[in-house]
Amino acid sequence: SQQGEEDPQALSIQEGENATMNCSYKTSINNLQWYRQNSGRGLVHLILIRSNEREKHSGRLRVTLDTSKKSSSLLITASRAADTASYFCATVNNAGNMLTFGGGTRLMVKP
Amino acid sequence: DTAVSQTPKYLVTQMGNDKSIKCEQNLGHDTMYWYKQDSKKFLKIMFSYNNKELIINETVPNRFSPKSPDKAHLNLHINSLELGDSAVYFCASSQDGTEGYTFGSGTRLTVV
Repeated sequence: SQQGEEDPQALSIQEGENATMNCSYKTSINNLQWYRQNSGRGLVHLILIRSNEREKHSGRLRVTLDTSKKSSSLLITASRAADTASYFCATVNNAGNMLTFGGGTRLMVKP
Repeated sequence: DTAVSQTPKYLVTQMGNDKSIKCEQNLGHDTMYWYKQDSKKFLKIMFSYNNKELIINETVPNRFSPKSPDKAHLNLHINSLELGDSAVYFCASSQDGTEGYTFGSGTRLTVV
């Protein structure tokens, strides 16, 4: 079953703008991860945030985690056309043996 | 040097046939997985193996049988293929299940 939902399902922005995607989940977690999937390709791991962390940065990516609301957000700053892809959040359960995905956000960055 | 490689990339077959998808990882990871991505892009875990031992079987039909000859390989055999099996199947690996997963490029299975 899906762990939760992502919002929005689709997002279209201009190059240079920031993109924010949100993710909600249902159960307690060990960590939350974000992945990117380009069309017709596999998933690429972007960033991991642990349940005791609130914010994490990696290059143009900023991830926040609110365990009280069971939600996370991914911010991509200064977007580029090459950022066009689907972005998925995924959670690892407390047992640490399962990665469960949300429904994904399709991001289109127009040049 | 592909970290997680799966073959074939595309598979078109008729209903009722039996087919296999192979997966190999060269990362030295202990845990391997099979995921199914449907036409709406939802990803669902099917199986998880840790060092050749089955850990998770997410209510997948018995027609699907994973086999792990060693911890670097996890193959998926599907019997009596049905139209609903059409999807993209991804193999993945992780060191211990809590860190980032590395995914293969997927096998697009089309059952006609």
